[in-house]
Amino acid sequence: DAGVIQSPRHEVTEMGQEVTLRCKPISGHNSLFWYRQTMMRGLELLIYFNNNVPIDDSGMPEDRFSAKMPNASFSTLKIQPSEPRDSAVYFCASTWDRIGLNTEAFFGQGTRLTVV
Amino acid sequence: AQKITQTQPGMFVQEKEAVTLDCTYDTSDPSYGLFWYKQPSSGEMIFLIYQGSYDQQNATEGRYSLNFQKARKSANLVISASQLGDSAMYFCAMREGGNDMRFGAGTRLTVKP
Repeated sequence: DAGVIQSPRHEVTEMGQEVTLRCKPISGHNSLFWYRQTMMRGLELLIYFNNNVPIDDSGMPEDRFSAKMPNASFSTLKIQPSEPRDSAVYFCASTWDRIGLNTEAFFGQGTRLTVV
Repeated sequence: AQKITQTQPGMFVQEKEAVTLDCTYDTSDPSYGLFWYKQPSSGEMIFLIYQGSYDQQNATEGRYSLNFQKARKSANLVISASQLGDSAMYFCAMREGGNDMRFGAGTRLTVKP
């Protein structure tokens, strides 16, 4: 398996522009996480999907952030409008969840976002 | 709310020595999983080891072992025979009830030659 695939790997955009980050989870996995990593705040969970349904989006910073999972093989994280403070590495991770088990998540390579 | 605490921002170890990275957690859910991840300077997140709350024995994976003390709510990572390639950030994480996975602040390990 190719693992979790994120695109783009690097994104530089101007403040105010829309940014879309993409994630393809591992085939067969049914849960997906989006994380943001910064020096100041560490690894923050933004949103968690199970079977394409958002289960916990309490970590989404504000209305400028939105995430979708239209099917089991694709998810997007959109920031509109982007701000310099959104600069971070964004990770997507997926896992195969089974009832009663707490399984490990496998991470993509991350997208390094710079908003200037 | 669950909480993961890693109290060591940075650790140093001599090559070939063992090192313990601390992790404590807080949860009221009887079913939870504890995880350790490694993040080298290249940035990827690498899964190392898992311990389930109902597991009777401490988890081991090669040179990695997890010192699980349930009553104390600690899940320390032990790396034996440290190698230069072990220099990285190490994150402890927890999932409870099969829900979202949250991470501690991390420990930066430096292995000295």
